Amino acid sequence: GAVVSQHPSRVICKSGTSVKIECRSLDFQATTMFWYRQFPKQSLMLMATSNEGSKATYEQGVEKDKFLINHASLTLSTLTVTSAHPEDSSFYICSAKSLQETQYFGPGTRLLVL
Amino acid sequence: DAKTTQPPSMDCAEGRAANLPCNHSTISGNEYVYWYRQIHSQGPQYIIHGLKNNETNEMASLIITEDRKSSTLILPHATLRDTAVYYCIVRVAGGNQGGKLIFGQGTELSVKP
Repeated sequence: GAVVSQHPSRVICKSGTSVKIECRSLDFQATTMFWYRQFPKQSLMLMATSNEGSKATYEQGVEKDKFLINHASLTLSTLTVTSAHPEDSSFYICSAKSLQETQYFGPGTRLLVL
Repeated sequence: DAKTTQPPSMDCAEGRAANLPCNHSTISGNEYVYWYRQIHSQGPQYIIHGLKNNETNEMASLIITEDRKSSTLILPHATLRDTAVYYCIVRVAGGNQGGKLIFGQGTELSVKP
């Protein structure tokens, strides 16, 4: 149990385009999901907290208009990177918090912006 | 949330126990200790968590000192597949933003044949 999926697993896009990443909790409902990104040889950095049915809360320094987060259901959150640039290339990882308060992570999405 | 301190790297022989330490001297009474690991290019995997009692599951054991200022994750019989970065995180449970995990640098465990 406690499986979280992400789609796509990797994506390559042109600079200036937008990319949507989906995060799904497959066997449990998650009122709270989190989005992280990770640059090579660095630790995970929390970007935002996403609560079902309400606006996301962004960490300091993360542009909310660039990283649009939608949490429309108890099993799905999406992250849209708008007008992507090469510096947005990174490994994006989501997690979903279970009712027992444990966070389970997705496998990650590798984004490459050319 | 309280900060944690972990050694940057450790080696362990295959088949032996791996003991990974974590210091969290500023932990509050309502903060849990969580352990995750991240194998290269994958999302972190939940291992175990505890509040003050020692915990054991199919993956590992968690030993928390009586004063809760430090803990040790024990992998009883390490295999090559346990090579990963191990993160010790303390956090408060509950609330809409409660429970967010702040990752440090972790311990890079290398299990060697």
